[in-house]
Parts: sequence; C-alpha cells; structure tokens
Amino acid sequence: EAQVTQNPRYLITVTGKKLTVTCSQNMNHEYMSWYRQDPGLGLRQIYYSMNVEVTDKGDVPEGYKVSRKEKRNFPLILESPSPNQTSLYFCASKDGGGTDTQYFGPGTRLTVL
Amino acid sequence: AQSVTQPDIHITVSEGASLELRCNYSYGATPYLFWYVQSPGQGLQLLLKYFSGDTLVQGIKGFEAEFKRSQSSFNLRKPSVHWSDAAEYFCAVGPYTSGTYKYIFGTGTRLKVLA
Repeated sequence: EAQVTQNPRYLITVTGKKLTVTCSQNMNHEYMSWYRQDPGLGLRQIYYSMNVEVTDKGDVPEGYKVSRKEKRNFPLILESPSPNQTSLYFCASKDGGGTDTQYFGPGTRLTVL
Repeated sequence: AQSVTQPDIHITVSEGASLELRCNYSYGATPYLFWYVQSPGQGLQLLLKYFSGDTLVQGIKGFEAEFKRSQSSFNLRKPSVHWSDAAEYFCAVGPYTSGTYKYIFGTGTRLKVLA
C-alpha cells in the first residue's frame, strides 16, 4: 500500500531535549516536505527536499533541521525544542513536477513543556 | 508576496444544501491550485487540483472548483452536502516559480453539517 508513515504519532517532551520525528514513504517520490499545522494559521511549510542531499527552507524553518540521506526517509530534527514548537506536524511526499499530488502522512502531535 | 486567503473560518450548512467555500490567492505567475480536506484526526487528502485548461475542475466526493483568473479565486463547490463532508478544507497554491519549490496553504475553513 502506498503510504507516508510518521513516527511517533504523539510525543510529549520538555524544553531543550533533542528529538527526531521520522518520515518514510514507499512510493519512490523525489519530493518530500514537512509542515506544521496550528489553529488559525493553517499549514505552514518548514522544509522541503527535492531529492537526496537536496533540501531547502520553507516559510518557518527556524528551530528545525532536516536531512535527506535516503530517498525514502526525511527526518525532522528539533535540536532544542521550545514550547512554541508545540504543534501538529505533517510529512508529505510527491513525485517530481509541480503538477503532482502531495501525499500526506497521518501527523505527529508534539507537545513541548 | 504570494498568499492564499480563505475568508470563512467556519461554515455551517444543512445536509442536502449546496456548499461554496471561498479561496483567493495572490501569486505572481499562473498558479497551480489545490483543495485538500482534513477529516477529524486525519491527514490531508487531495480533493482536486488545477494547473491549466478547463477552468472548472472536477474532484473526488462530488466536489468541483472553478478557477477565475480575473478574481484570483478558486472556490470549491458541492451541490448537495452529506453529513460525512464535515471536515476542515484547505486551499493551497504552489509551487513558487522563483527558484523555490514551496507550497502555501490557506488557514482553512471548518465545515459543520446539520442533520
């Protein structure tokens, strides 16, 4: 089954404790992206990757890191989480080209205390 | 700057009534436009997309949208709403044409359906 998986689905952590949210897709997609969803703000793009070793900032990259060492995986790293990073995070992937559909993962709800 | 505006935060309709969700965009070039739906506790699912050609686009679940360049709008419509359509709907535009490959989403419209 074609899918985007994220782990963990729920995470409660404390300020400053490094964490990684994993994202994996089994569709051999070139493009992967991370978004955060906050009430009243919709989805905002954090980072995206056009292919292995190619990443670029979205609109809200501060406080986040990403890496793309393999085509299928695109982890999101919070090296020193803060409470303002409490949010619902979505990973998405799509094939090359602007016309292709993004497929979204189920989301990761992160709470930073 | 590129932007997407969904002016209605909440909309309530009765089951069987027609629906129109508004989306306005600001974009420097011919946009690629999308509508996504998010059911409670779920990820996002693509309803439909517009790239070029016929300005009336048909999607899944009986939804359609019309691209109007003169009004910078891409409104989503459904002739008869079902209770299962209750969800949050997002309009999106992308990717940028200025050397980036970003997507911009609107703030969403939450649809409530009355039985």
